[in-house]
Amino acid sequence: NAGVTQTPKFRVLKTGQSMTLLCAQDMNHEYMYWYRQDPGMGLRLIHYSVGEGTTAKGEVPDGYNVSRLKKQNFLLGLESAAPSQTSVYFCASSPGLTNNSPLHFGNGTRLTVT
Amino acid sequence: AQSVTQLDSQVPVFEEAPVELRCNYSSSVSVYLFWYVQYPNQGLQLLLKYLSGSTLVKGINGFEAEFNKSQTSFHLRKPSVHISDTAEYFCAVSFLYGNKLVFGAGTILRVKS
Repeated sequence: NAGVTQTPKFRVLKTGQSMTLLCAQDMNHEYMYWYRQDPGMGLRLIHYSVGEGTTAKGEVPDGYNVSRLKKQNFLLGLESAAPSQTSVYFCASSPGLTNNSPLHFGNGTRLTVT
Repeated sequence: AQSVTQLDSQVPVFEEAPVELRCNYSSSVSVYLFWYVQYPNQGLQLLLKYLSGSTLVKGINGFEAEFNKSQTSFHLRKPSVHISDTAEYFCAVSFLYGNKLVFGAGTILRVKS
């Protein structure tokens, strides 16, 4: 059982370039999340989705877009990368509300923007 | 506003010693509390959670945490740590009927032999 799979694992971008991070889950979970992790700041929520075709902004959404066209996939896009977006990005999923359902995390994507 | 504070950024401890990792939160509504662990180059895994009932919660790998509503705290403890417990630990809070988790900044536990 793969769980939550993130691709790619590593990426280096130049300022202004664009890219898409892919998250796929095989647990039929309704909720999916994108977090970024920076030293000393914990995980901060970028965007999330409560079901296929829905998305919502989290704590730090600026500079990112997301799409959830299929229930199992949640894509995170950077249209014009900036050095401030250098971070480790984690995707997570859960079957229901976070008060009852723990998050299942992928192994992360390490992005460097030069 | 709701927030989560982990009071120590790093905690060094010798193997087989006890450890406590501190977490405080602020909220005006009911909360659900979690501890997650992150081993190097991996995603986060759930260690334990408090939803309701007994304020002492036991998790995996011998960890436990106590919910103290009056002090708005949820400290994580282990009576005897192992080298393999070296990891970063995150406290997280979800709010009544919430669909998001708010994470603390993390505490790096370094177990030394």
